[in-house]
Amino acid sequence: GIQVEQSPPDLILQEGANSTLRCNFSDSVNNLQWFHQNPWGQLINLFYIPSGTKQNGRLSATTVATERYSLLYISSSQTTDSGVYFCAVPTNFGNEKLTFGTGTRLTIIP
Amino acid sequence: NAGVTQTPKFRILKIGQSMTLQCTQDMNHNYMYWYRQDPGMGLKLIYYSVGAGITDKGEVPNGYNVSRSTTEDFPLRLELAAPSQTSVYFCASSYLGGNTEAFFGQGTRLTVV
Repeated sequence: GIQVEQSPPDLILQEGANSTLRCNFSDSVNNLQWFHQNPWGQLINLFYIPSGTKQNGRLSATTVATERYSLLYISSSQTTDSGVYFCAVPTNFGNEKLTFGTGTRLTIIP
Repeated sequence: NAGVTQTPKFRILKIGQSMTLQCTQDMNHNYMYWYRQDPGMGLKLIYYSVGAGITDKGEVPNGYNVSRSTTEDFPLRLELAAPSQTSVYFCASSYLGGNTEAFFGQGTRLTVV
C-alpha cells in the first residue's frame, strides 16, 4: 500500500519563528489533507489541497502531486501552533480509505 | 451542525468486558471511519463504511465489530476487551471517501485494566 512519510518527526522552535513541514507519499494521489492535532487531542482540519497552494492566515500549504510531496508552512509561530501535524491521502482502488502520515510534533517555546 | 459526535469521551473497561463506542454524523456523509491512535503514534484504520449496510476492514480490525444500519450512525463494538485495546478512538466521515474532505469527532479515550 501507499507509504506516507513526514519530516521532520520533531521540531522545537522559538515563538515567532517560521517552519516548513514536509509530507512525502509513495504513489500518485489526487488530493491531500493536512490536520493539526492540538495538545488536547482534537484533530482540526487545516487544508484540503488537491494541488497547488492554499493559504489561511499564517498557514499555507503546497502540494506538488507530480513529485509526490506536500509542504505545510507556518509563519510567525505562536504557542497555540504546538501539537502534531498529520497529512493524509486517499488510498485503495476507489479512494475509499484515508491513510495518515507518521506526523510531525511541533513544540513552540515562548 | 454538530458534525461528527462520539460518545462516551472517556471509558475504563475491565479485561473481558464489552462496550460499544457510538458515532453519529449529521452531514449526510456516505463514508464513515473508525481509527485508533496509540500514545505517541499516528492513526490506524480499524473499519470503514461506504454507505448504509456496507462495511469493510481496515488495517487493524481484530477484536472489533461494526455495523451501519443508517447513514448517520456507525457504532464500533469491542468484544472481550484486552489491554492492547487501550487507545484513543476517532470516528470520521466524508461525503465521498478520500475524494472529499474528512471530518473527525472529538475522540474516545479508552483504558482497559
